[in-house]
Amino acid sequence: EAGVVQSPRYKIIEKKQPVAFWCNPISGHNTLYWYRQNLGQGPELLIRYENEEAVDDSQLPKDRFSAERLKGVDSTLKIQPAELGDSAVYLCASSLDVGYGYTFGSGTRLTVV
Amino acid sequence: KNEVEQSPQNLTAQEGEFITINCSYSVGISALHWLQQHPGGGIVSLFMLSSGKKKHGRLIATINIQEKHSSLHITASHPRDSAVYICAVKIQGAQKLVFGQGTRLTINP
Repeated sequence: EAGVVQSPRYKIIEKKQPVAFWCNPISGHNTLYWYRQNLGQGPELLIRYENEEAVDDSQLPKDRFSAERLKGVDSTLKIQPAELGDSAVYLCASSLDVGYGYTFGSGTRLTVV
Repeated sequence: KNEVEQSPQNLTAQEGEFITINCSYSVGISALHWLQQHPGGGIVSLFMLSSGKKKHGRLIATINIQEKHSSLHITASHPRDSAVYICAVKIQGAQKLVFGQGTRLTINP
């Protein structure tokens, strides 16, 4: 089993540029999460999907962040335009359903300069 | 005040020592997770608890629902245990994880 796959692993961009992250969850996992982890802090939920429906996006800064999960499998998280404060690790996780354990991807470390 | 508090924030110990990391929370939960994060790596789920105690190898996790407290223990610690250990709780009815700030553990040989 490949686990949760995220790409890219690292991304460096200039501020005001767009950036996108991709996540492929474990096959059969209906629930997918995007988290943001700032240095020295625990992850914070950005958005949760159940299949293709975004059921909790209350923490997603909707002015610049967007996400989609077409066909309820892969997901992309986009930032446009990026700001210096967006530098963080963006983690994707999936679970079979909301009551089950989570599997996290390796994350994408974003640096905005 | 954070809903999930871990202590200590940093812990350095010698190989072989018994390690305890604590997690306290202030909300009603349906489950508690202990996670391990290595530098530059992803997060690995160690345990998911809703009551009592679980053991896996040298790792033991306990939870006291009444006291809203959980502990992660590592017996016979080893340098490869060096990582950040994160406590996360699933808030009742909210279906999301709230994370502690993590405990950075360093085991010296």
